[in-house]
Amino acid sequence: QSALTQPPSASGSPGQSVTISCTGTSSDVGGSNFVSWYQQHPGKVPKVLIYEVTKRPSGVPDRFSGSKSGNTASLTVSGLQAEDEADYYCSSYAGTNNLVFGGGTKLTVL
Amino acid sequence: QVQLQESGPGLVKPSETLSLTCTVSGVSINSHYWNWIRQPPGKGLEWIGNIYYSGGTKYNPSLKSRVTISLDTSKNQFSLKLSSVTAADTAVYYCGRGYSGFDPWGQGTLVTVSS
Repeated sequence: QSALTQPPSASGSPGQSVTISCTGTSSDVGGSNFVSWYQQHPGKVPKVLIYEVTKRPSGVPDRFSGSKSGNTASLTVSGLQAEDEADYYCSSYAGTNNLVFGGGTKLTVL
Repeated sequence: QVQLQESGPGLVKPSETLSLTCTVSGVSINSHYWNWIRQPPGKGLEWIGNIYYSGGTKYNPSLKSRVTISLDTSKNQFSLKLSSVTAADTAVYYCGRGYSGFDPWGQGTLVTVSS
């Protein structure tokens, strides 16, 4: 059982927006500024989309955005494209000595 | 361009020690945090631990008793040792740079635990 809870699946049509949630506790997501999101296509290496809750590495489209409210972090994908179909994982530090991942969300572009 | 590459045996026997090395190119290992992450087939990601360039380490509490991560600055490499492995340790093992938002990652190496 993963420490962070993500919905197993999410879906949306091209052009729409989809938000994926990542729920933890005050000991991890709620108390950490180090929440990250990753995209993983089948058979590929995970790629960071968001770090430190809201920051986007260079090269990541601004269609991807991160936010946090209380113990829940969220990833919003705007203007869905076929290439966004992938698995998405959140992660957070839990205290200073442990990092936990969510169980992953499979995003389907209808 | 920073690149990471994992290397090591693809098959380890139960109860033995899994040993992997991550070779870093394009940047000195004398900076940043360096991580090991694993992903069992068909499952999600699990953080194993990290090492800071100064040598300080942090480990996943669920694996801490079996894990050692170390640096070899002369070779610009860092390594993972996981002892007393079982079939549950079968996974793709990745190395990655960073404290939050690992980037880049290595290509990953599949390690199977089987007799």
